[in-house]
Amino acid sequence: AQRVTQPEKLLSVFKGAPVELKCNYSYSGSPELFWYVQYSRQRLQLLLRHISRESIKGFTADLNKGETSFHLKKPFAQEEDSAMYYCALRDVHPAQGGSEKLVFGKGTKLTVNP
Amino acid sequence: EAQVTQNPRYLITVTGKKLTVTCSQNMNHEYMSWYRQDPGLGLRQIYYSMNVEVTDKGDVPEGYKVSRKEKRNFPLILESPSPNQTSLYFCASGDRLNTEAFFGQGTRLTVV
Repeated sequence: AQRVTQPEKLLSVFKGAPVELKCNYSYSGSPELFWYVQYSRQRLQLLLRHISRESIKGFTADLNKGETSFHLKKPFAQEEDSAMYYCALRDVHPAQGGSEKLVFGKGTKLTVNP
Repeated sequence: EAQVTQNPRYLITVTGKKLTVTCSQNMNHEYMSWYRQDPGLGLRQIYYSMNVEVTDKGDVPEGYKVSRKEKRNFPLILESPSPNQTSLYFCASGDRLNTEAFFGQGTRLTVV
């Protein structure tokens, strides 16, 4: 079964420090991976997806198939980065008639201290 | 403005009283889904819909119903709510490449 693991429930860093939010996955095919962010009392927003290889708000994430990881990184954290971050994997098994739905990790709450 | 709109934003109800949470999107998205968010459990999918009249169960469909009679709307129905359905609910929509591209603002439901 597809599974997304975010090993850290809470992560606290100081402003200006590098930050890495870990995401590991278990998947039998070629995964599509995403990061979502949820600021306090706001809706979830798509932050980035691995296929677009883009950098949003200074965050990047590289898919490492060997380590089955998709860690989210930012070299210099800002206070406004404090939020809940969710890693997600698209569950696609077209050959097996599977559904194209996302599987979410349980999230990591990032706090950036001044 | 592209958006997913949920109503109501907050709801307190009693056990057993049927309720509906509406979800509407204005982006002509084929895909829509419902999630519940609970502390320590993250987001869990309840139901999803790949297109009009096509719905499928997610991971936690028990106690919920949905319908997709038209593309823009995807209501979540609780026929007989119970306290364990107290949660924060999110609706999402997207296209086939990016299924959960947009999320609604959430509906905080309390069942007493």
